[in-house]
Amino acid sequence: AQSVAQPEDQVNVAEGNPLTVKCTYSVSGNPYLFWYVQYPNRGLQFLLKYITGDNLVKGSYGFEAEFNKSQTSFHLKKPSALVSDSALYFCAVRAFSGNTPLVFGKGTRLSVIA
Amino acid sequence: GAVVSQHPSRVICKSGTSVKIECRSLDFQATTMFWYRQFPKKSLMLMATSNEGSKATYEQGVEKDKFLINHASLTLSTLTVTSAHPEDSSFYICSAPGTGRVGTEAFFGQGTRLTVV
Repeated sequence: AQSVAQPEDQVNVAEGNPLTVKCTYSVSGNPYLFWYVQYPNRGLQFLLKYITGDNLVKGSYGFEAEFNKSQTSFHLKKPSALVSDSALYFCAVRAFSGNTPLVFGKGTRLSVIA
Repeated sequence: GAVVSQHPSRVICKSGTSVKIECRSLDFQATTMFWYRQFPKKSLMLMATSNEGSKATYEQGVEKDKFLINHASLTLSTLTVTSAHPEDSSFYICSAPGTGRVGTEAFFGQGTRLTVV
């Protein structure tokens, strides 16, 4: 069975500081990992994904994530946070065909304080 | 990326009435769509998988007769909340896989905020 854990319900960071949103996963076989962002009363927007290749993946809006197989982690990072980054972030995994649903973590609310 | 359009974005209905939510893939064909429900401050709960040309597959605990799903064409899936009650108030989101490849990200509709009064 696949699962994703986001250990933090809430992350607070000052504007301009680096941010990290944590994610660990459990899956049999090769993991395909995704990060999405959700703004209030909106659907999910795709940020980035890891399929294969370089462990450091760069995505939209300056976000990046590092795949660590030994730690089964896929933490989301950004070197310098913006107030507009404040939102709900979801990590997700898929291990089977593209027609199977993503399995999501519970979400982490990021609050960037000016 | 691919576009999934969900309508309406917000609806208020009276208890006992039915509400239909539409999810369209605008620039690609979706043989499969997923319907999620999101509770306040909670993650997305997969409700069901709709398949074009066949019956939807419901997750455990989701009432089939209450949440009717129809995948009428390769670009349209609908979720009808029947005999709505206040406890059905929630945020509903549809999603399409994009392609059949495992590494493809899913595409999401804008979501529908349902309030039953």
